[in-house]
Amino acid sequence: AQTVTQSQPEMSVQEAETVTLSCTYDTSESDYYLFWYKQPPSRQMILVIRQEAYKQQNATENRFSVNFQKAAKSFSLKISDSQLGDAAMYFCAYGEKLTFGTGTRLTIIP
Amino acid sequence: GAVVSQHPSWVICKSGTSVKIECRSLDFQATTMFWYRQFPKQSLMLMATSNEGSKATYEQGVEKDKFLINHASLTLSTLTVTSAHPEDSSFYICSVSPALPGDYTFGSGTRLTVV
Repeated sequence: AQTVTQSQPEMSVQEAETVTLSCTYDTSESDYYLFWYKQPPSRQMILVIRQEAYKQQNATENRFSVNFQKAAKSFSLKISDSQLGDAAMYFCAYGEKLTFGTGTRLTIIP
Repeated sequence: GAVVSQHPSWVICKSGTSVKIECRSLDFQATTMFWYRQFPKQSLMLMATSNEGSKATYEQGVEKDKFLINHASLTLSTLTVTSAHPEDSSFYICSVSPALPGDYTFGSGTRLTVV
């Protein structure tokens, strides 16, 4: 079975600075999807970024980018120029049925 | 992306009663919908995959007789928690995947409290 591990329960970053959230996963598949979702206090799940495993190029969405290391089964999220609105729980997820990690609570320090 | 409406947003029910949660795809015909459960301060766990016109596929450990799923149309899936108990209190969220794999839209969730 696939597993997703987020080793950082909580992270904090100064506003306008850069922060990286870690995620590792375990799978025997060669082609799959990886995701980062954001869950603000409203609890609405919002897709931040998506990576297809067969694509070697790291996905980027504005201030959000990933460092996808397929051999190491690592999928970290980098948030640049952090903003107060980025404060939320961030979940890493694997595959079409979305196996989620335990989440990282990100706090933005003004 | 798709627009998904989930109702109710919160519900309180007495132990032993049943509660129905609706998930509607407003602008997309969804042959497949997904139901997740999230306990406080925990991650989302997939409960079942709802298939239009056929039986739902339940994940291991999820009681199909307790969590009844009906996907009678391409725009509506319902989750009924039968004979609810306090341990069923949780946040329930549905999602649809309208396009290519990996394009998921979530409902706003339902907070269920069983007293």
